[in-house]
Amino acid sequence: AQKVTQAQTEISVVEKEDVTLDCVYETRDTTYYLFWYKQPPSGELVFLIRRNSFDEQNEISGRYSWNFQKSTSSFNFTITASQVVDSAVYFCALSGPTSGTYKYIFGTGTRLKVLA
Amino acid sequence: DAGVTQSPTHLIKTRGQHVTLRCSPISGHKSVSWYQQVLGQGPQFIFQYYEKEERGRGNFPDRFSARQFPNYSSELNVNALLLGDSALYLCASSLRSGPGGETQYFGPGTRLLVL
Repeated sequence: AQKVTQAQTEISVVEKEDVTLDCVYETRDTTYYLFWYKQPPSGELVFLIRRNSFDEQNEISGRYSWNFQKSTSSFNFTITASQVVDSAVYFCALSGPTSGTYKYIFGTGTRLKVLA
Repeated sequence: DAGVTQSPTHLIKTRGQHVTLRCSPISGHKSVSWYQQVLGQGPQFIFQYYEKEERGRGNFPDRFSARQFPNYSSELNVNALLLGDSALYLCASSLRSGPGGETQYFGPGTRLLVL
């Protein structure tokens, strides 16, 4: 079965602190895809990143960085120097042949509160 | 370019009624997926349509149905509404339907409240 676990339900940080959101996944597929989305209070899911299972290179985009480790089945997301605008719910998602590559399996999300 | 659009934004219905939700994908995208997001949970997959054909269906009862039109827009229909159908319904579009783990771009959602 495919599963995504985001164990952190809610995290609160003070502005300018660094914060890491954890994502652990389960799959038997050898080829699969991982995603991160941001959901602000408006409700729309905003795409942040897509990662293939055969590309373990970490990625940095501005204040955002992602650490993909197949050995621990983790795809963690770090925000450096957090800002109030980063406050949102963040979802990690998985897709792969077992569940149908068209279908995303989402975690339960991590609510990030950045305090001024 | 416009993103994914959904209508209506909010909807209040009573138990037993029927509801139709609409979605227009990003221009050039041929695939539309529907997800249900209950408060405090991650989105759950309901349907995907590609080129007007159903490509996948999640674990939802037959009260849920959908279709895709020649212009790639889509409708989600829910019959005999239950209180438990209250949720945010999200539409997502992508260029294609698998096998490459297509990136899905989401709309703002329709918030449905069933009383």
